[in-house]
This record gives sequence, C-alpha cells and structure tokens, in this order.
Amino acid sequence: QSVLTQPPSVSGAPGQRVTISCTGSSSNIGAGYDVHWYQQLPGTAPKLLIYANINRPSGVPDRFSGSKSGTSASLAITGLQAEDEGDYYCQSYDSSLSGSVFGGGTKLTVL
Amino acid sequence: QVQLVESGGGVVQPGRSLRLSCAASGFTFRTYGMHWVRQAPGKGLEWVAVISYDGSKKYYADSVKGRFTISRDNSKDTLYLQMNSLRAEDTAVYYCAKDVIYGDSPAYFDHWGQGTLVTVSS
Repeated sequence: QSVLTQPPSVSGAPGQRVTISCTGSSSNIGAGYDVHWYQQLPGTAPKLLIYANINRPSGVPDRFSGSKSGTSASLAITGLQAEDEGDYYCQSYDSSLSGSVFGGGTKLTVL
Repeated sequence: QVQLVESGGGVVQPGRSLRLSCAASGFTFRTYGMHWVRQAPGKGLEWVAVISYDGSKKYYADSVKGRFTISRDNSKDTLYLQMNSLRAEDTAVYYCAKDVIYGDSPAYFDHWGQGTLVTVSS
C-alpha cells in the first residue's frame, strides 16, 4: 500500500484530455511538501515530468501540467498522443517517514 | 550531459550480500545529494535511501533500515549501496537518481540511471 494514492489506470483517445490524481495526507502533501511527477515509458527509466507542483523541466511539452490543492495533486495531459502511453508516478516527502514517498503509479492507455 | 550508470546487480541467495555502484558524470557530483530508488518486477517505484552531498547525512526507507548502507566516494564520482541480509522481497531494478540540491531536505530527482537488476533467489 503506497503512502500516496493514485488510480491504477486511466485511458483516453488521441487528442483527448486525461487527469491523474494523487492523494496524500497531513504528513506529506497536506503538510505543504511539493509534489513531483515522473513518466516511465515501457522498458525505460523514469523521467521527471513536473516538479514543485506546477513546473515543467526544459523539453517537456506544455501538454503536461500539474496542480496541487490541500492533500491532493493532479497531473493533466491534453492532446493525448500514442507516445504518452506508459506509467505515471507522483512523489512527495513524508515528515513522519523522514523520506521520499511515491504513489503506486497510474498506467495510461491511449485508445 | 548528466550520466548515471549503475552496476553490480545479479542473482544472489537469500541472506547474502551485494554492493551496487553508480558512476556519475556530466555534473559536479560532490555538490548534489544522491538517491537509490527500486522497482520490483511489475510494481511501482519505492524510494530506498538518500545521502547528502558530503556524505554526512543518510536516510533510509523502513523496509531496508539496518540492512542497507548508502555511501559515496566524491573523489571517484561514485555512489554505492551495500545490501546485506538480502530477502526475496528485495528483488527489483535498482536505480540511482540525482537530487536537485544537497540531499538533506525534501526534493526530487532530475536524472536517473538505467537501473541494475537484483534477483534474490535460492
């Protein structure tokens, strides 16, 4: 059981918009710690997608956006493309565990 | 460009030890915290440990505390993970990941290695 909760899967047709939620608690997201998102395409290492809730690293398309409110955060992907298919993970810090924590991951399927 | 190359994975019997290495290049290694993150087959990511830029601070996930030791050699730009008393549930791909700052405060991972597979089995 992961400290951060994500839906196991989401799907959408090409060109559509999908969102992935990440729910935490008062010792992590709710305590004000930033949320970060990673994309893991099949057979590859994770890649930083969104950092500090809303920021995109250089090279990440603006189709990807993040938000945070209270004890939750969300990743939105607009204009879905076939190459977006993969797993997405949220990450934050947990003060009671004194370490980083991940969500269980969400598998995105482009129909 | 930043490169992180893990090595040292393999098949090991339960209760035995293994040491992983991560060779870093393309950035000033001694000024950044470093992490190990693992991923069991078909499962999600699990943070394992972090070491601060100078090696003075180390933190571990409860699942490995007392069995794993993270260390670094800044003269060799190399990160290590000494894994003792290995269990079947330690079977995973182990990634080293670069912190965006010193490694002694909450942060995130801006670069990852390709991973090395550790299989614990008799």
